[in-house]
Amino acid sequence: QVQLQESGPGLVKPSQTLSLTCTVSGDSIASGSYYWSWIRQPAGKGLEWIGRFYIIGDTNYNSSLKSRVTISVDRSKNQFSLKLSSVTAADTAVYYCAREPRRTFAAASKYYFDYWGRGTLVTVSS
Amino acid sequence: QSALTQPASVSGSPGQSIAISCTGTSSDVGGYNYVSWYQNHPGRAPKLIIYDVDSRPSGVSNRFSGSKSGNTASLSISGLQAEDEADYYCSSYAGSSTVVFGEGTKLTVL
Repeated sequence: QVQLQESGPGLVKPSQTLSLTCTVSGDSIASGSYYWSWIRQPAGKGLEWIGRFYIIGDTNYNSSLKSRVTISVDRSKNQFSLKLSSVTAADTAVYYCAREPRRTFAAASKYYFDYWGRGTLVTVSS
Repeated sequence: QSALTQPASVSGSPGQSIAISCTGTSSDVGGYNYVSWYQNHPGRAPKLIIYDVDSRPSGVSNRFSGSKSGNTASLSISGLQAEDEADYYCSSYAGSSTVVFGEGTKLTVL
């Protein structure tokens, strides 16, 4: 059974960098069959896709966050990470990691998320 | 890239059927058959219930079905059960390898 678990500080100060890790079990990030994504949900609002990572290094980011976001992978730990710089109160949200199936005959996602973590709340406050 | 529009809430009695709409534009919902739906119970991981507009993952009840007409996609739930009470989100491919989500709909089973 595939499981994803987010971890990281629950409180980040304004202007600092938010750093989260997603630990994957039941699947290998290096298998090449999936993309690995981050999604967030501010309180009382809908979901927002942040970006995705593919094992060969391909990344795609939401244009509204692109200048502040980095998604990377640690193959040895079967983890992938999110870094969001220069945070403000608007970045306060529940952050989810999720798995996206990859198309068999094209270098692209299938654009849906088949497994998610439970999410972790990150509050930006001094 | 604006969020897809969903009703804030819908409700129904056990056994009834309901539908949740998800309205976008020709640049997302209307332009691609990559609409998906997720069920989110508080404190639990969101669950994929529909992908590619009308496909159901293995293990998802056939009481859940999806459709699309123009720029609006819909999730239908038949034979409502208490366990269906949750938040529901739609999602669509929005071009340039990006994804956009809906604002979310809270389903109440009366």
